[in-house]
Amino acid sequence: AQSVTQLGSHVSVSEGALVLLRCNYSSSVPPYLFWYVQYPNQGLQLLLKYTSAATLVKGINGFEAEFKKSETSFHLTKPSAHMSDAAEYFCAVGYSGNTPLVFGKGTRLSVIA
Amino acid sequence: SQTIHQWPATLVQPVGSPLSLECTVEGTSNPNLYWYRQAAGRGLQLLFYSVGIGQISSEVPQNLSASRPQDRQFILSSKKLLLSDSGFYLCAWSSSSYNSPLHFGNGTRLTVT
Repeated sequence: AQSVTQLGSHVSVSEGALVLLRCNYSSSVPPYLFWYVQYPNQGLQLLLKYTSAATLVKGINGFEAEFKKSETSFHLTKPSAHMSDAAEYFCAVGYSGNTPLVFGKGTRLSVIA
Repeated sequence: SQTIHQWPATLVQPVGSPLSLECTVEGTSNPNLYWYRQAAGRGLQLLFYSVGIGQISSEVPQNLSASRPQDRQFILSSKKLLLSDSGFYLCAWSSSSYNSPLHFGNGTRLTVT
């Protein structure tokens, strides 16, 4: 079965520091991968998606993620954290058009001034 | 452009009362539709998804049900709410094509008292 593991349910960084949120997936077929962000009491917003065109994917709000097949990873990074980045982040993996995405349990990012 | 509407935004219902949450999508045809739930401090739980009118797949057995009476309308219902039904309910849509992301509504905060 497909699965997604997000290491760390809570990550705390200082404002201006590097943000690294980890995501590993299990798959026997080439996956497509997504990162979503959720602010309190809101729906999930798509940050970026990997669809095999390029291994380094740039998203909104300065975030990017790199697909590493050998490590089955799709970690999310941002060079310099901003207070507005504080939110819940979800990694998701998909395999076909009509099969629901599989979501990780989420990582809550706190940014300290 | 496509939009997704979900209402109400908040709802307080007594135990044993019925529930009806509605979700509609505009600007696309034959979308895949989804209902998710987030309990406090927990990740996303897929409840139902639909790839067409009258086609509903249930992921978790419970006292909730879903219906898709029209192509772009998805309804989540319950005949008798339980305390454990409290949570944040999210509707989402995607196209049926490969690597299509999910697009989420703003959610409904349900409190069962």
